[in-house]
Amino acid sequence: DTEVTQTPKHLVMGMTNKKSLKCEQHMGHRAMYWYKQKAKKPPELMFVYSYEKLSINESVPSRFSPECPNSSLLNLHLHALQPEDSALYLCASSQDLDSTVGRNSPLHFGNGTRLTVT
Amino acid sequence: QKEVEQNSGPLSVPEGAIASLNCTYSDRGSQSFFWYRQYSGKSPELIMSIYSNGDKEDGRFTAQLNKASQYVSLLIRDSQPSDSATYLCAVILTNAGGTSYGKLTFGQGTILTVHP
Repeated sequence: DTEVTQTPKHLVMGMTNKKSLKCEQHMGHRAMYWYKQKAKKPPELMFVYSYEKLSINESVPSRFSPECPNSSLLNLHLHALQPEDSALYLCASSQDLDSTVGRNSPLHFGNGTRLTVT
Repeated sequence: QKEVEQNSGPLSVPEGAIASLNCTYSDRGSQSFFWYRQYSGKSPELIMSIYSNGDKEDGRFTAQLNKASQYVSLLIRDSQPSDSATYLCAVILTNAGGTSYGKLTFGQGTILTVHP
């Protein structure tokens, strides 16, 4: 079992729907991430939050809108998605973004949300 | 050149053999390196972190890092069928000023199959 919990596990939505993916961690981590993974490809970074502030946006289309209500929660709001957005969406957390003596803490991933856009 | 490159697979080894997985990275300023294992349909699971040149052992897994050659590898001893998965090399990149800003970037992954 992972200490990063994502809901829902599966989501099917139409192109006109609005939905949200949720992620929660209780490890006291201060950095949280959204990754997108297509079949047979590695995860690709979408957003990074550090201390509840957006730190990195990898030029993600505005139909994906992240939100970090507090240090334990991370949401990804979805609106007007396209079928090519169908993928596994992974949330991850790490202690923080800082490197102490050149060592960044590892990322711990949730089980993911399998999203299908019809 | 890709930021993180892994040796092309798939890799097939017999049970009990040593599986060797290799990775090179382009950012000379990188300081933090990770190996993740991902079973089909599941999320990546951290196996090893390595930060210093040399070897780091954890059970049947040994990670090796050579920063001068910008090379990191993973050895799996006594491979088991349950080790069959995709192995992802991941590196935290640095910005132009040499500061890490938490961007964990993955290689393409190597599919490992351990056959009985």
